[in-house]
Amino acid sequence: QSVLTQPPSASGTPGQRIAISCSGSHSNIGSNYVYWFQQLPGTAPKLLIYKSDQRPSGVPDRFSGSKSGTSASLAINGLRSEDEAEYYCAVWDDSLSGRLFGGGTKLTVL
Amino acid sequence: EVQLVESGGGLVQPGGSLRLSCVTSGFTFTSSEMNWVRQAQGKGLEWVSYISRSGRTIYYADSVKGRFTISRDNAKDSLYLQMNSLRAEDSAVYYCAADTPFSNYAYWGQGALVTVSS
Repeated sequence: QSVLTQPPSASGTPGQRIAISCSGSHSNIGSNYVYWFQQLPGTAPKLLIYKSDQRPSGVPDRFSGSKSGTSASLAINGLRSEDEAEYYCAVWDDSLSGRLFGGGTKLTVL
Repeated sequence: EVQLVESGGGLVQPGGSLRLSCVTSGFTFTSSEMNWVRQAQGKGLEWVSYISRSGRTIYYADSVKGRFTISRDNAKDSLYLQMNSLRAEDSAVYYCAADTPFSNYAYWGQGALVTVSS
């Protein structure tokens, strides 16, 4: 069981807005930046959001990140079929002196 | 073009050793902290180890502490992971991932498969 908690699955229809949560504690999300990744089947993870709410060049502005207290969220607006993938959050943990990944959320576009 | 290419994976018996390599190009390796991240078949991502730009600061996940050793050669733009006393639960695809001044895990390799089995 991961220290960072993500819902195992999420779903939405094309055009819809969905949000994926990542819940932690004061020693990780509460104190550090959160990163979000998209992983398509059979491929390496791809950075979607860095420093909690920043988007790398090339990532569509349909993707956004936010953080409040000990939780973070990845929102996807205007859902598309190509967004169907696994999504992971990641953060540094001060208590563990190590990095963490959430357990991952499998997004299905219906 | 940024490239991270892992090699050295394969089949090894429990208790055995393997050394993974990650050769990089297309970005300034000496300005990047580096990581190993693994993913068991059908499972999520697990951070394994981190090394600072100079190599002086190193962190490990508890699951590999004392068995794995991360290192880097800045002259060769390369990252390494020496894995000893391997267990079945170490079987996974191992990715090298680069931190850049703007983000952790900005760049990823394609992964190297490690299978620990008798």
